[in-house]
Amino acid sequence: DAGVIQSPRHEVTEMGQEVTLRCKPISGHDYLFWYRQTMMRGLELLIYFNNNVPIDDSGMPEDRFSAKMPNASFSTLKIQPSEPRDSAVYFCASSPSGRSGNTIYFGEGSWLTVV
Amino acid sequence: TQLLEQSPQFLSIQEGENLTVYCNSSSVFSSLQWYRQEPGEGPVLLVTVVTGGEVKKLKRLTFQFGDARKDSSLHITAAQPGDTGLYLCAGPNVNTDKLIFGTGTRLQVFP
Repeated sequence: DAGVIQSPRHEVTEMGQEVTLRCKPISGHDYLFWYRQTMMRGLELLIYFNNNVPIDDSGMPEDRFSAKMPNASFSTLKIQPSEPRDSAVYFCASSPSGRSGNTIYFGEGSWLTVV
Repeated sequence: TQLLEQSPQFLSIQEGENLTVYCNSSSVFSSLQWYRQEPGEGPVLLVTVVTGGEVKKLKRLTFQFGDARKDSSLHITAAQPGDTGLYLCAGPNVNTDKLIFGTGTRLQVFP
C-alpha cells in the first residue's frame, strides 16, 4: 500500500518566493496533519484537517502560511512570502482517526531551504 | 502547558551495548507513543502504551509506561547500527487531544 506521499522532497528557494508543498494522504484516512521539524523546536503541529475541513490551525506561525485540502486525496501547505527562518523539514501525516492512541503515518518530508 | 522532556538528548554507543532513554512530564497522559525517525525519513510508530505500569516488548526494545502515567522509558538490549535514529515520545494533549511530541533522543550506534 502507498504511504503518505509528499512533494517536492527537496526545495531550495530565494527569500520572498512562494513555496507550495503537496501531500497525498493514505486513502481512507480522515485526518491529515502538517508538521514542521527543526533542530531548535523539534516536531511542531501546524494544522490538521478532519474530512477535508481545517480543525485547528493554531500552530500556523504567521499569516504567510496557509493550508488547504480541496478533496480527500490532496492537501497543500503554502508559504508566501518565504523567509530564511522557514527553512525546515515539513511533514504531512494522516490517520484513520483523530482519537488519541491511533497511529499517525508520516510522509518522508519536504526539505525546505530558503536562502 | 504539557511538555515531554526526553533524555539524553544525544547518545553514541558501540554495537552490543544496552541503553535506556527517558520521556518525562509533570502532566498525566492517557497514553504515550514512541516513534523512531531514521535519517531522511518521517517518524514511524513503534508502540503505544496506555496503562500505568504497562510494559511492552518489541524484539530487543522494551517500553514501559510509568505507574502514574507521567513518564515512559525505552530500553534497547544489544544495540545494533540499524537502531540508529531519532527516538520521539508523543502523547495527546489533555484538552485538545492533539499529539504533543517530545524533544527527542538522537541515537547513534557504531559498528
